[in-house]
Amino acid sequence: GAGVSQSPSNKVTEKGKDVELRCDPISGHTALYWYRQSLGQGLEFLIYFQGNSAPDKSGLPSDRFSAERTGGSVSTLTIQRTQQEDSAVYLCATSGGSYEQYFGPGTRLTVT
Amino acid sequence: SQELEQSPQSLIVQEGKNLTINCTSSKTLYGLYWYKQKYGEGLIFLMMLQKGGEEKSHEKITAKLDEKKQQSSLHITASQPSHAGIYLCGAASNDYKLSFGAGTTVTVRA
Repeated sequence: GAGVSQSPSNKVTEKGKDVELRCDPISGHTALYWYRQSLGQGLEFLIYFQGNSAPDKSGLPSDRFSAERTGGSVSTLTIQRTQQEDSAVYLCATSGGSYEQYFGPGTRLTVT
Repeated sequence: SQELEQSPQSLIVQEGKNLTINCTSSKTLYGLYWYKQKYGEGLIFLMMLQKGGEEKSHEKITAKLDEKKQQSSLHITASQPSHAGIYLCGAASNDYKLSFGAGTTVTVRA
């Protein structure tokens, strides 16, 4: 596609359930980032994939969070045993090698 | 990690008036990005500044980078309702990760 796409756009889940968020990057972009934006807060870096290198997971807030990137393309962010504080907009961004990052529309996660 | 402080947190401006947003970094800036976010949407790239003293303009939006002060400003001339949204500055560290400020919410009143 022309831009970064994310699915679902909205997700409401019950506390304790697992959720999977998907990111489809711009074709050819080797770098992929996940960020989290909580209400009234700035963007919080979660994880970074670059090509075949080991991902930078330094931003993941707990071991309930994990992410994969299959074949250097699509990425999935998984949150296990969701908590109410996980409610946020999760944004994916990709980059083709420059510093410029292209963002997807985000997934709004609400944990009830 | 790099910390970015934006000011003001929010502002309301009358349509047609100018406004300025500031972004100050706690560390050396390798690149400074400005993004705009409309409520419930993703981030739209506005411009990137890399060199001290650099100034870029796009339509009625101008951004400047003061490398020595580790600061950037975003200026909107003759604001329009379409300028309403959240403006975020992001800074690149030397490993491609971006750190973001908390954002400035801009409201334009007709």
